[in-house]
Amino acid sequence: TQLLEQSPQFLSIQEGENLTVYCNSSSVFSSLQWYRQEPGEGPVLLVTVVTGGEVKKLKRLTFQFGDARKDSSLHITAAQPGDTGLYLCAETSGSRLTFGEGTQLTVNP
Amino acid sequence: DAGITQSPRHKVTETGTPVTLRCHQTENHRYMYWYRQDPGHGLRLIHYSYGVKDTDKGEVSDGYSVSRSKTEDFLLTLESATSSQTSVYFCAIMGTGANVLTFGAGSRLTVL
Repeated sequence: TQLLEQSPQFLSIQEGENLTVYCNSSSVFSSLQWYRQEPGEGPVLLVTVVTGGEVKKLKRLTFQFGDARKDSSLHITAAQPGDTGLYLCAETSGSRLTFGEGTQLTVNP
Repeated sequence: DAGITQSPRHKVTETGTPVTLRCHQTENHRYMYWYRQDPGHGLRLIHYSYGVKDTDKGEVSDGYSVSRSKTEDFLLTLESATSSQTSVYFCAIMGTGANVLTFGAGSRLTVL
């Protein structure tokens, strides 16, 4: 089981600002998923990235998979209070997923 | 909604008592999982199941047992609860093809 490191652990910003959060590993990811979790709920999948260098966009969210498939980033443009939540990356290994500790994002109005 | 429910959603119990959490799915998926979520540790896999009566341990399985007697139900049992098992427990199911987890809403367990 490889260790996933997410940074920063906490991030508090004002509405309208941009931000980037990171997910890193010392090993190569087979594939990587990003989830968002809101208070009192379970995590919900945002995206899956598989190919090194891949970039995926989901409205104001941009996901990038590193060329060497050892890192990934999530960039949010013009953050809104509705983006508040815990952002988790997860590495897939067959039928098992290993999660990072997450980045807790708070977007203040 | 994805058709996964957990019960109970909240439970307070005392050290040494047995506790069973239930996960029920209506999706007929083969794979089901139990995770616990704690501050500073993220989501950690306790046990998972890949079919009726087929289960395997995750990274934090000590003190927990599971059972899956039918496809739709996956039970997590704490035989003798300890304060270190105070946590939020999430059940998840995996659909076919994409290795994507769909989570339940969680069960918050407090062991006094």
